[in-house]
Amino acid sequence: EAGVAQSPRYKIIEKRQSVAFWCNPISGHATLYWYQQILGQGPKLLIQFQNNGVVDDSQLPKDRFSAERLKGVDSTLKIQPAKLEDSAVYLCASSLTGRGSGYTFGSGTRLTVV
Amino acid sequence: ELKVEQNPLFLSMQEGKNYTIYCNYSTTSDRLYWYRQDPGKSLESLFVLLSNGAVKQEGRLMASLDTKARLSTLHITAAVHDLSATYFCAVDTAAGNKLTFGGGTRVLVKP
Repeated sequence: EAGVAQSPRYKIIEKRQSVAFWCNPISGHATLYWYQQILGQGPKLLIQFQNNGVVDDSQLPKDRFSAERLKGVDSTLKIQPAKLEDSAVYLCASSLTGRGSGYTFGSGTRLTVV
Repeated sequence: ELKVEQNPLFLSMQEGKNYTIYCNYSTTSDRLYWYRQDPGKSLESLFVLLSNGAVKQEGRLMASLDTKARLSTLHITAAVHDLSATYFCAVDTAAGNKLTFGGGTRVLVKP
């Protein structure tokens, strides 16, 4: 079974620029998550999708972050404009039916904002 | 708001000795996960604990869950260098259907 695919692996941008990350979950997984992991901390949930609908985006900084999951498969997370404090690893995870079915994480995208 | 706390934050281990990492959480949950993360890598699932009193073991690692105390422990037996990594616990609530992570415990095993 193929894992959760993410791209790019690394990205360096200047502050105030925009950036986008892509995630392709495991085939058939209805639930998709984006987490932000700042160096030295645990992952923090940014947004949760169930199919192509948003379930929870309460911790997404909506003034600069946006995410979509068209057709309920792959997803993109965008930051515009980026700030220095957005430097982090962005992890995508997917789950078959959510709670109890386990969560599989992608390799992440490491963003550095300079 | 669900809070998950791990301690210690950093654990320097000697090879061959035993150690325990603690994970406390603030609201009712009966599903707790342990993950391992190597530097620059993603999260590797270690254990899923599904009920009160659950105990799981894999090699030198053993995890347990006490839902009444809202506490999980990850016990390391006879530490070896290969266990050097950061370990995270995460809680999954019935209402949320998502993981809330602790801050992680960085483990360094010295020869």
